[in-house]
Amino acid sequence: DSGVTQTPKHLITATGQRVTLRCSPRSGDLSVYWYQQSLDQGLQFLIQYYNGEERAKGNILERFSAQQFPDLHSELNLSSLELGDSALYFCASSVDPGGNTEAFFGQGTRLTVV
Amino acid sequence: GQQLNQSPQSMFIQEGEDVSMNCTSSSIFNTWLWYKQDPGEGPVLLIALYKAGELTSNGRLTAQFGITRKDSFLNISASIPSDVGIYFCAGVSGAGSYQLTFGKGTKLSVIP
Repeated sequence: DSGVTQTPKHLITATGQRVTLRCSPRSGDLSVYWYQQSLDQGLQFLIQYYNGEERAKGNILERFSAQQFPDLHSELNLSSLELGDSALYFCASSVDPGGNTEAFFGQGTRLTVV
Repeated sequence: GQQLNQSPQSMFIQEGEDVSMNCTSSSIFNTWLWYKQDPGEGPVLLIALYKAGELTSNGRLTAQFGITRKDSFLNISASIPSDVGIYFCAGVSGAGSYQLTFGKGTKLSVIP
């Protein structure tokens, strides 16, 4: 158990809908990362927050947004969903925003858009 | 953007054999991390490397941070069936860049 909690574990929704994925980082970790992993693909970095502020942005679509709350949990909002958004979405957390520290991953949320 | 080239893409080995995989980049990284991912699960951190030239072991796993800071390798000795999975390298570059960049992974299959 990495200590990073993601909910829900599975999500099935229709095209055009909006969903929210939630992540609780490990106790003491201030930084949260979001990644997308499509079938048989690598991990695509979406966005990172540190202590409530956005720190780095990757290949995140405009239809997607995220935030980190004062209690440090984070939410990834996906809107106007398309079939191609079906993927595993992972959250990871680390103590500091980058550099000399490890990132620990949650179990992921499997999103299926039908 | 930064890219990590991980090789091989996949490998089939006999149980008991040693395995080697590597990651290279055109950019310098300050941190190299190696993860293993089982199907449907999140990546699990295996080894973290912070200094050029550093050689670190974790049981049967050994990883090295290349002296040029542009590469890293992971060795698995005496492979066992539970080593099956996808191994990812990841790197964090210099100051101001907080993005953890991942390689595309090496899929390892172990034949009993």
